This record gives sequence, structure tokens and C-alpha cells, in this order.
Amino acid sequence: AQSVTQLDSHVSVSEGTPVLLRCNYSSSYSPSLFWYVQHPNKGLQLLLKYTSAATLVKGINGFEAEFKKSETSFHLTKPSAHMSDAAEYFCVVPRERNAGNMLTFGGGTRLMVKP
Amino acid sequence: DGGITQSPKYLFRKEGQNVTLSCEQNLNHDAMYWYRQDPGQGLRLIYYSQIVNDFQKGDIAEGYSVSREKKESFPLTVTSAQKNPTAFYLCASRSSLNYGYTFGSGTRLTVV
Repeated sequence: AQSVTQLDSHVSVSEGTPVLLRCNYSSSYSPSLFWYVQHPNKGLQLLLKYTSAATLVKGINGFEAEFKKSETSFHLTKPSAHMSDAAEYFCVVPRERNAGNMLTFGGGTRLMVKP
Repeated sequence: DGGITQSPKYLFRKEGQNVTLSCEQNLNHDAMYWYRQDPGQGLRLIYYSQIVNDFQKGDIAEGYSVSREKKESFPLTVTSAQKNPTAFYLCASRSSLNYGYTFGSGTRLTVV
């Protein structure tokens, strides 16, 4: 079964410094992978998705992620953090090819941005 | 604009009461989902429906019930059998064209 592990429950950066949110996946085949962002008491918004095309995926708000099969990783990065990036981020993988297209969520990483 | 509307945003329930959370979408999506979110646990699937008049249990369906009488609507009832209902509940729908998910803004349920 597909699963994802977010390696850090909390990450704190200063405004203007790089962001790295780590995600490792486990899958019996090359999966699709997603990153979602959730601002406090809000729903989830799709940041970017990998669907076996280019391994470097660019998303909204300057975020990007690189799919590395050899490392089974899909880390999310941004060159320069902004205060508005403070939120919770989820790495997500579809469960199985025909399992109702349900999603499996990582535990989330809360990003804090200091002024 | 198309989207998903969840209501109410905040809900308080006394122990022993059933409450129903509303989820309405005008995206013409066939599939709809209910997730529960607790701190540090990501989102866990409660129920999902891929088509009108059909729904399936997710990972944590005990103490919950749903209906799907209309394509646009997928209400979730939290029954008195749910032992720990205080949580943030998110509804989602999925397009059958591009498989993209859309999430509602959530309902925060607190048992008092």
C-alpha cells in the first residue's frame, strides 16, 4: 500500500530564508504525489502535483518539489520564505490505482516563519 | 464561482446528541469525501461516495453516517456513538476529468 511520511512535524525559518519540507513515500509502483497547504481553519489548497512527467515540479507561490525515485523522496522547497507561507503542509499520495481514488495524507508539517 | 461549501463553520454539541454537517458542491463532481483532522494525524477518511445513492466506509466510519441523495450534497451525521467527535471535519470532491480534488473550508465540531 502507498504511504507517505513527513519527517518534520514543525519547521521554523526566518523570512527570506529557504524552506525545505521533507516527505518520503512508500509505493509498489511509481506513484502520483501531491503537496497541499492548509492555512488555519481553512480547507486544503493544492500546491503542486507530480504525475510521472518532469521530476521537478513547479507549483504556486514559488514552491517546487523534486521527485527522486532512488531516495523515495518528494521534498518541498522554496528559495525565500514569506510570512504568508506560515501554514500546515501535507504530502499526499493516492492509495492504490483503483481504490476509489482515495488519498493517504502524511501527518503534516507546520511551517512557522519568523520576521 | 464553483466550489464546496461547508456549514456551519463552528458547531457545538452536547454529549449524547447527533449533529449533521453540511457539504454542498456546485462543481458537478461525482465523487465526494469526508475527512476528519486531528492535530498531528493528518487527515483520516470517514466516508466517501463515488456516485449518487452509493457510499462506502472509510478508515474511521464508526459513529458516523452519511447520505448521498443528490449529486451536489453529501451530509455527514456525527452520532452519539462517536466517542471522541471533537475535531475539524473537511469535505472534498473530485473531478472525474482531471482527478483534481477540491476541499471545503471545514467545520470545527466541539463537544461540550
